[in-house]
Amino acid sequence: AQSVAQPEDQVNVAEGNPLTVKCTYSVSGNPYLFWYVQYPNRGLQFLLKYITGDNLVKGSYGFEAEFNKSQTSFHLKKPSALVSDSALYFCAVRPTGGGNKLTFGTGTQLKVEL
Amino acid sequence: GAVVSQHPSRVICKSGTSVKIECRSLDFQATTMFWYRQFPKQSLMLMATSNEGSKATYEQGVEKDKFLINHASLTLSTLTVTSAHPEDSSFYICSADPLAHGYTFGSGTRLTVV
Repeated sequence: AQSVAQPEDQVNVAEGNPLTVKCTYSVSGNPYLFWYVQYPNRGLQFLLKYITGDNLVKGSYGFEAEFNKSQTSFHLKKPSALVSDSALYFCAVRPTGGGNKLTFGTGTQLKVEL
Repeated sequence: GAVVSQHPSRVICKSGTSVKIECRSLDFQATTMFWYRQFPKQSLMLMATSNEGSKATYEQGVEKDKFLINHASLTLSTLTVTSAHPEDSSFYICSADPLAHGYTFGSGTRLTVV
């Protein structure tokens, strides 16, 4: 069975500083990996995904993530955080060839302060 | 493109009544849609996968008689919470995967049962 771990419930960072939101996964075979952002009382917005190819994936709003197979990680990063980036971030995984159900991590609350 | 519209965004109902939540794909056809439930400050829990023209597939522990899912057309899936009770109060989100690995989510429905 697949699983996703987001070890940090909350990440605090000052505006203008780089941010990292961690994600590790466990899946049989090769994974499809996703990051989503959720604002209060809203659905999830897609940020980026890794399917195959280049390990560094660039997504929406200046976010990027690096797929690291040996460490089974897919950490989300941004070089310079904005206050408006404050939200709940979810990492998700889906195994290749194993149906199309996503498994989500528990979420990380990002707080960017002035 | 690839927009999923979910209604209503908020609903308050009395205990014992039923509530229907609609999820529409606006610019694509969705043979499969996913229904999630999210508790406060927690991750998304997949409840069921709705399949156009056939029965939904429910996850383990989800009462199919309690959460009725209908997917009668390629653009509409509905979730009906029957005989709602306060413990059914939650945030419900639907999703589809129109681009094969490009999941898109509805904006969610906040259900409060009083």
